[in-house]
Amino acid sequence: GAGVSQSPRYKVTKRGQDVALRCDPISGHVSLYWYRQALGQGPEFLTYFNYEAQQDKSGLPNDRFSAERPEGSISTLTIQRTEQRDSAMYRCASSLRDGDRHNEQFFGPGTRLTVL
Amino acid sequence: GQSLEQPSEVTAVEGAIVQINCTYQTSGFYGLSWYQQHDGGAPTFLSYNALDGLEETGRFSSFLSRSDSYGYLLLQELQMKDSASYFCAVRDQAGGSYIPTFGRGTSLIVHP
Repeated sequence: GAGVSQSPRYKVTKRGQDVALRCDPISGHVSLYWYRQALGQGPEFLTYFNYEAQQDKSGLPNDRFSAERPEGSISTLTIQRTEQRDSAMYRCASSLRDGDRHNEQFFGPGTRLTVL
Repeated sequence: GQSLEQPSEVTAVEGAIVQINCTYQTSGFYGLSWYQQHDGGAPTFLSYNALDGLEETGRFSSFLSRSDSYGYLLLQELQMKDSASYFCAVRDQAGGSYIPTFGRGTSLIVHP
C-alpha cells in the first residue's frame, strides 16, 4: 500500500515569501506529526494532529509557522515570511493511533526547503 | 521538558554485536522507541519498549530500565547494510498529548 507522501520534495524560495508544505498520511491513520530535521540531527517535533484536531503545537518555532488538517487526512504546514534559518528538511509522519503502546510512526520522504 | 543522550558514533565489524545506549530525562515517560535512518532516507521504526525488559525482533533487540531512565538497542550479526543512524525517542504524556522527542542520533559504521 501507499506510504506517507509529501510534496513538493524540494522547494527553493526567496526570503520573505510564504511556503506551504503538504503531507498525505497513510489512509486510516489517526495521528499526523510534523518534524524539522537538520543534517546530522534527529527529527525535531513541531506539531501533531489527531484527526483534524491539533493536539499540540508547542514545537512550532514562532508564529510564522502554522499547520492544519481540516478533514483529518491531508495536512499543510505553512511558513509565512520565510527566513534563511527556516532552511531544513521538513518531515511528516503518521501513526495508526495516538498514545498506543505500538505508536509506530511512518515517515514520509520529506520536503527539502531552501530559503535564499 | 525532555532530553536524550546517545553516543554520536559507534564503529564495529561485520558479524559483531554492538550496543547503542540511550539515557533520557522526561517529566511523564510513555515509552522508548528506536528508529533507523540511512543516508538520504526517512527514519524507519525498529522497536518500542513501554515496560522494563528486553524486546527482541530478529537481529535487533531493545532494552529498557525505567528506574534508571536508560535503554539500549542491541544489533547482532552486524551486516554492512546496518550502517546508518539510529535514534532513540521518547514520548512525554502531558495532559492529553503525547509529545515525541528524538535524540541526536548515533552513527553506526560497520566495517568489513
